[in-house]
Amino acid sequence: KAGVTQTPRYLIKTRGQQVTLSCSPISGHRSVSWYQQTPGQGLQFLFEYFSETQRNKGNFPGRFSGRQFSNSRSEMNVSTLELGDSALYLCASSSGDRGVEQYFGPGTRLTVT
Amino acid sequence: EDQVTQSPEALRLQEGESSSLNCSYTVSGLRGLFWYRQDPGKGPEFLFTLYSAGEEKEKERLKATLTKKESFLHITAPKPEDSATYLCAVHMYSGGGADGLTFGKGTHLIIQP
Repeated sequence: KAGVTQTPRYLIKTRGQQVTLSCSPISGHRSVSWYQQTPGQGLQFLFEYFSETQRNKGNFPGRFSGRQFSNSRSEMNVSTLELGDSALYLCASSSGDRGVEQYFGPGTRLTVT
Repeated sequence: EDQVTQSPEALRLQEGESSSLNCSYTVSGLRGLFWYRQDPGKGPEFLFTLYSAGEEKEKERLKATLTKKESFLHITAPKPEDSATYLCAVHMYSGGGADGLTFGKGTHLIIQP
């Protein structure tokens, strides 16, 4: 099976702009979760989508949003970018059952200047 | 507050020198505890899932164990290719809070030849 794919792999944006990141989960997986990884805070949960519905959300401002399509692919959007949004954004897919392992993609490295 | 703490933050070993990494957690209800390995610039790679105290899982030179308050990742006779950051994460029963994985900050492991 192909793994989780994320596009683009690298992105440079200017403060105030918005950005959309894309994630394709493992075939058959219905849950997609998004995480932000920074050197200071480590890996932090953003939100989870399951069957096109946001099932859970972490403690991030409303500038961070997402959606999931009928084929389980997911997108994450960040509006009004701030310097502190520079991070590795990771997508993880799973079957969606509670407590099962999640499989991560390679991430999108976002740099905000 | 639910928390995951990993120790040590960094560990340098000689090739063949066995050791253990620790992950202690304080959560109200544990659905599962996960170990991941992360190489620089890559997404976390799934290693193990543990669900209940007393459970053990093994894979090559790695063995993960779980008690009611902590988990250990034992590395036996490590090789240089085992060098990576090892991350511990818990999935807890949600009580209205975020229901994603909560990660520790990781242990940066270096195996010297």
